Order: sequence, then structure tokens, then C-alpha cells
Amino acid sequence: NAGVTQTPKFRILKIGQSMTLQCTQDMNHNYMYWYRQDPGMGLKLIYYSVGAGITDKGEVPNGYNVSRSTTEDFPLRLELAAPSQTSVYFCASLGGYEQYFGPGTRLTVT
Amino acid sequence: QKEVEQNSGPLSVPEGAIASLNCTYSDRGSQSFFWYRQYSGKSPELIMFIYSNGDKEDGRFTAQLNKASQYVSLLIRDSQPSDSATYLCAVTDSGTYKYIFGTGTRLKVLA
Repeated sequence: NAGVTQTPKFRILKIGQSMTLQCTQDMNHNYMYWYRQDPGMGLKLIYYSVGAGITDKGEVPNGYNVSRSTTEDFPLRLELAAPSQTSVYFCASLGGYEQYFGPGTRLTVT
Repeated sequence: QKEVEQNSGPLSVPEGAIASLNCTYSDRGSQSFFWYRQYSGKSPELIMFIYSNGDKEDGRFTAQLNKASQYVSLLIRDSQPSDSATYLCAVTDSGTYKYIFGTGTRLKVLA
């Protein structure tokens, strides 16, 4: 099993550009999550999904959108990137009690 | 606003000593409690979870939960330099499958 994979690993965006962060898991988990982690901080929940077709907002959803058309994929869309969205983004899926995290995407908006 | 609080550290302990990491949470309805370890530049990995009051031991790690005091701790016995990392406390948001994370405590184990 590859577990949770994320692409790209790194990205630099200009202010106002848009992009999609990809997340895929091969563990057939229903619950998936997107977090952002700012330097020296914990994880903030952006969006989560309890299954295909069902998503809900987390603590910091503004400026982001998600979709969940399949169990495996949970992409995160950034529209009109802003410097405040510079962060490391982690995708995770839930198996039992344990969240399995992807390797992260480091995004810089300049 | 539901919160999880941790001392950011760094907490420095000598090799072989016991490291004690603490976490308090605001949501009395939280049911499950987690400790994640995160090495610099890496993703978090689960070390322990606990959901009943008392202690839970796994190797060199012991998680302690006191729901009345809304307090969770992690003890690391015989600390090793490889334990140097940031430790994140997380709790479940009551009635949901959402997780609330603390800001993490940076642990340094000195050889």
C-alpha cells in the first residue's frame, strides 16, 4: 500500500493564481481531512469528508474548496491565492483511531 | 472556540531521563485523545491514543488521562536523542470525527 499520497511536494504561486492540491489514499478509508500547518504551529482543519459526495468545513475553510467524487481522492482547491495561504498542507485519512498523514505540500504565495 | 493547549517548549532533557509532556483541552465532551510525533519537515505519526481515565503504557511511552481536570500527558522513559521532535496533542471534537490539535511541544534530548 502506498498509504496517503500528495502532489505536488512544493509549489510557488503568485497572488491571485489558483491551484489544486491532490490527495489520494489506497486504504479504502471513508474519512479524509485537509489540514494546514503554519511555522511553529499545530494543525488547523480546513475541510473534511466522511465519504464520497459528503464534505464539511473545518476551522479555517475560507479561500479553499474541496470535492470528494471517489473514496480514494480528496483534492483541495485554492482560488485567488493570497500570502496568508503560505503554509504546509497535509492530507490525512482515518483508519480506526489513527489518522494516516500524507507527506505534505509546501506552498508559498508571493 | 474549542482549544487544546500545550507548552511550546523547547523542553530539554538529558539522555536516559524521563520527558513529561502536558496538554489541556477545553471541550468536556471530547472522548479520544492522541499524541503525535512530528520530526522537522515530516508529517505527524501517531504514538499513543487513550480514551479512558488513567494510564496507558506502550513500551517507553505512557499516556495519562484525567477527564475531570481535562488534562492529558505523555511520559517518555529512557529518553533518546532520536526522541527529539515536536509532540502534538490532539483531541476529538465531541460528537464528530473532527480532531483539534495543540500547537505542539518541542522536545530536545541531549546526548
